[in-house]
Amino acid sequence: EVQLVESGGGLVQPGRSLRLSCAASGFTIGDYAMHWVRQAPGKGLEWVSGISWNSGVIVYADSVKGRFTISRDNAKNSLYLQMNSLRAEDTALYYCAKVVRGGYAFDYWGQGTLVTVSS
Amino acid sequence: QSALTQPASVSGSPGQSITISCTGTSSDVGGYNYVSWYQQHPGEAPKLMIHDVSSRPSGVSNRFSGSKSGNTASLTISGLQAEDEADYYCSSYTSSSTRLFGGGTKLTVL
Repeated sequence: EVQLVESGGGLVQPGRSLRLSCAASGFTIGDYAMHWVRQAPGKGLEWVSGISWNSGVIVYADSVKGRFTISRDNAKNSLYLQMNSLRAEDTALYYCAKVVRGGYAFDYWGQGTLVTVSS
Repeated sequence: QSALTQPASVSGSPGQSITISCTGTSSDVGGYNYVSWYQQHPGEAPKLMIHDVSSRPSGVSNRFSGSKSGNTASLTISGLQAEDEADYYCSSYTSSSTRLFGGGTKLTVL
């Protein structure tokens, strides 16, 4: 059974950093592109960042470019998101998502980890 | 990177059909057959319902169908059921290799 479990969220002050992790099981993460998607409280989904299976292609939303860094460790079946210079508007539930084989949609999602940026 | 445009809400009675639209540009929806649709119930993670404009993943009811014309994609739910009440989001691959989501549509089953 495919499972994605995010961790690392919490309450952080503006300007500080946080590193999110996503542990994958039930499949070999190294065979798939992976993405992060966030959802602010009561709001819609916002795509954040994506990384190809071999880290050769990395893309970011304009809203996080230069502040967030996505990475992966295929040997540990894990995905990461380093978030620096956090702002109040980064407050959201952060989901990691697996890309469908050979495609561009997200077929499996974790339950999310909540990041709250507040002083 | 502006969000794709969806109606904020739609409603229908059990048994009826509804359609949710998703409008983008030639750089996303209109340029690629990589539109997907997600269903999200309150407190749950999104669930993939349609990918590549009109393909249904295994296990998704055939009451859900997708299509595209120009820069607008559509999700149609036929034979509406109470359990279909949820938020629905479209998403598209873009010319920058990024992704865009729509603002979401709240479906109410009357």
